[in-house]
Amino acid sequence: GAGVSQSPSNKVTEKGKDVELRCDPISGHTALYWYRQSLGQGLEFLIYFQGNSAPDKSGLPSDRFSAERTGGSVSTLTIQRTQQEDSAVYLCASSKRLAVNNEQFFGPGTRLTVL
Amino acid sequence: GQNIDQPTEMTATEGAIVQINCTYQTSGFNGLFWYQQHAGEAPTFLSYNVLDGLEEKGRFSSFLSRSKGYSYLLLKELQMKDSASYLCAVLRAAGYALNFGKGTSLLVTP
Repeated sequence: GAGVSQSPSNKVTEKGKDVELRCDPISGHTALYWYRQSLGQGLEFLIYFQGNSAPDKSGLPSDRFSAERTGGSVSTLTIQRTQQEDSAVYLCASSKRLAVNNEQFFGPGTRLTVL
Repeated sequence: GQNIDQPTEMTATEGAIVQINCTYQTSGFNGLFWYQQHAGEAPTFLSYNVLDGLEEKGRFSSFLSRSKGYSYLLLKELQMKDSASYLCAVLRAAGYALNFGKGTSLLVTP
């Protein structure tokens, strides 16, 4: 596609349920990042992937959060046993390669609401 | 860790110039980015600075002083469509993820 796409655009779930959020990066982009944006807070880094290298998971807030990237393209962020504090907009970004000056292109995000 | 500060809100008049400041404290530095985010939309890239000085790109310019831990985004000839949140982000010294400030919400008035 022309840009980074994410699905669903909105997700409402009940506390304790598991959710999966999907990200389709720009074709040919080898690096993929997940961030979340809580109300009144800045974007918070969660995890990034580069090719077949081990992902940098240093931003994941707890072991309830995990992410996979299959075939070097699509990524899924999974949140298990959701809590109300998980409510946020989850943004995915991709870049052509992993480099310090490389622009990250963001998707529209998934708004997660945990009741 | 990294601490990134920017004003929460600013208001400016159409046609005017506005400067949005960003200060940061970091244990390592690999560059500073500015992103624009309209309400309900994805952030879009505006600029990247890694060396001291001013980078100009059309109506937008970005300045960096590494010794002072300071950057600003300068918007000239403001237009109504410039009303948005402006995000300052520092590239972590280890790895490639961005650390973002909370953003500055700019309102351009007629």
